[in-house]
Amino acid sequence: SQTIHQWPATLVQPVGSPLSLECTVEGTSNPNLYWYRQAAGRGLQLLFYSVGIGQISSEVPQNLSASRPQDRQFILSSKKLLLSDSGFYLCAWRLTGGNEQFFGPGTRLTVL
Amino acid sequence: AQSVTQLDSHVSVSEGTPVLLRCNYSSSYSPSLFWYVQHPNKGLQLLLKYTSAATLVKGINGFEAEFKKSETSFHLTKPSAHMSDAAEYFCVVSYNDMRFGAGTRLTVKP
Repeated sequence: SQTIHQWPATLVQPVGSPLSLECTVEGTSNPNLYWYRQAAGRGLQLLFYSVGIGQISSEVPQNLSASRPQDRQFILSSKKLLLSDSGFYLCAWRLTGGNEQFFGPGTRLTVL
Repeated sequence: AQSVTQLDSHVSVSEGTPVLLRCNYSSSYSPSLFWYVQHPNKGLQLLLKYTSAATLVKGINGFEAEFKKSETSFHLTKPSAHMSDAAEYFCVVSYNDMRFGAGTRLTVKP
């Protein structure tokens, strides 16, 4: 069966520090991968998606970036965090041509 | 283009009473529709999905939803609420990509 992991589960970082969140998927090949953010009291905002290694599409311009160095690994990064980057970050995967997305447990990021 | 609107940002029910969470969608094509549930500080879990088969879809934990094309609706219901149902619920429409509703927070009072 397929599983999706995210780490860390929680993170507290100062403004201006770098960020690296990791997501890995097991039990499937060539999935579509997604990064979402939930800010307090808001719905899900799609940040990035990837249909293959090295292929990243950005939905919203911001100071975040994403990379997919391996088929089942998706990384969300920032060189300098802003206060507004605080939120709950969710990674998800979907089979190519499939309908539903499967979500990871999320990372709670607090920027102070 | 496709979009989804959850008509209530917050619904409060008493334990043992019915639950109704409303969702309307807009899509130029025949979409797939989903309901996800999110408990605090957790990822999203799929409750149920409609993919052009039976219009009444049964999901986990006693939830079900009915696809009504004429009303462009996909409301989520449960006959009797349980305390553990308290969570955020998201309606999602999907064709080439997924569009999430803003979410409905369900509160269950004892």
